[in-house]
Amino acid sequence: DTGVSQNPRHKITKRGQNVTFRCDPISEHNRLYWYRQTLGQGPEFLTYFQNEAQLEKSRLLSDRFSAERPKGSFSTLEIQRTEQGDSAMYLCASSFGLESYEQYFGPGTRLTVT
Amino acid sequence: RKEVEQDPGPFNVPEGATVAFNCTYSNSASQSFFWYRQDCRKEPKLLMSVYSSGNEDGRFTAQLNRASQYISLLIRDSKLSDSATYLCVVPSGSARQLTFGSGTQLTVLP
Repeated sequence: DTGVSQNPRHKITKRGQNVTFRCDPISEHNRLYWYRQTLGQGPEFLTYFQNEAQLEKSRLLSDRFSAERPKGSFSTLEIQRTEQGDSAMYLCASSFGLESYEQYFGPGTRLTVT
Repeated sequence: RKEVEQDPGPFNVPEGATVAFNCTYSNSASQSFFWYRQDCRKEPKLLMSVYSSGNEDGRFTAQLNRASQYISLLIRDSKLSDSATYLCVVPSGSARQLTFGSGTQLTVLP
């Protein structure tokens, strides 16, 4: 499978715990995005990497959230001190080149904070 | 005003029907637009790109009206497998991040 992969697919955690999600983009894609989607809404942009550089962060990304892409390949998204409001689907997408707007999404990690 | 607004539906149509979804966007500088399809509890998948006045792919036609800042998606001869949520998407910002509408839910009935 050469698409975007995400792990884990599902995560249930208790409020206050830290969680980390991983995204493996399509191998030749240099741009990587994280989005969050809640029920009945479209995905909302969280952050963007071009290669290993994090170039854009949404105001939705509070200081409890941190994302990395250390070698310009896979990326991790960590949420510290989770809150019930963090429950959502976290989607990763990747894209190639500087001109293309087309993004390809992974299956997402569904987070439930109890 | 939201950046991207869609008719939320839901649309329930019989097989074989023609159905159209509307979308308006607020950024007049936007140059490209997308329709994504999202099945229940799955990731969004690119359905169509719209770079000029419109695009047609089989039973699907997307049209763009820049003056009115309006995009539409027409599905002809609806199939049961077309049942999904259709998301109107406009790239924005220096990162080319995607701004999504809240989606229009379509159910095609036998």
